[in-house]
Amino acid sequence: GQNIDQPTEMTATEGAIVQINCTYQTSGFNGLFWYQQHAGEAPTFLSYNVLDGLEEKGRFSSFLSRSKGYSYLLLKELQMKDSASYLCAVWDSNYQLIWGAGTKLIIKP
Amino acid sequence: DTGVSQNPRHKITKRGQNVTFRCDPISEHNRLYWYRQTLGQGPEFLTYFQNEAQLEKSRLLSDRFSAERPKGSFSTLEIQRTEQGDSAMYLCASSLGTTDTGELFFGEGSRLTVL
Repeated sequence: GQNIDQPTEMTATEGAIVQINCTYQTSGFNGLFWYQQHAGEAPTFLSYNVLDGLEEKGRFSSFLSRSKGYSYLLLKELQMKDSASYLCAVWDSNYQLIWGAGTKLIIKP
Repeated sequence: DTGVSQNPRHKITKRGQNVTFRCDPISEHNRLYWYRQTLGQGPEFLTYFQNEAQLEKSRLLSDRFSAERPKGSFSTLEIQRTEQGDSAMYLCASSLGTTDTGELFFGEGSRLTVL
């Protein structure tokens, strides 16, 4: 079966750095997304990785290792507004987008 | 506003009633997706359109669910004879469709509560 695993919840301190991990087992791989979702709102796009390595975009970076079926989202200089759920999603070989359950990130002052 | 729009944003209905949700995608986007999301879960794929053609439908989708995109622009999702288990957020997303792996842009969602 297809599966994406992320921690259910993480807590971090304002100004700090946090890394959210995602591991996947899918039938094929055509790219991995990270989305941010605030409570009661729709997901918004953060990053897309299709090749191995690190993609940096401001305070957010995303890493992919296809051989390990592993990605992480790195958030630096955390702000209170970063409190949200972070969803990992993978395009499989049939171009179905498989979603993880999301990681709820709680930022404390 | 040039984003994906959905309406109604909230719908409360009694079990057994029919409900219809509408999605207006970003105008130049060819692909339109419907997802369902419950609390603490990621979006669950329901169906998707390439222009007016419905190309994929989830095996989990019962016959009570139907979606249309008659002119390749807006889409509707109808749920007949609603059940309490249908209570969820229904998300619409669109993408440009020039590749199969394009970024999805989501609407704000339509939250359904079945009493």
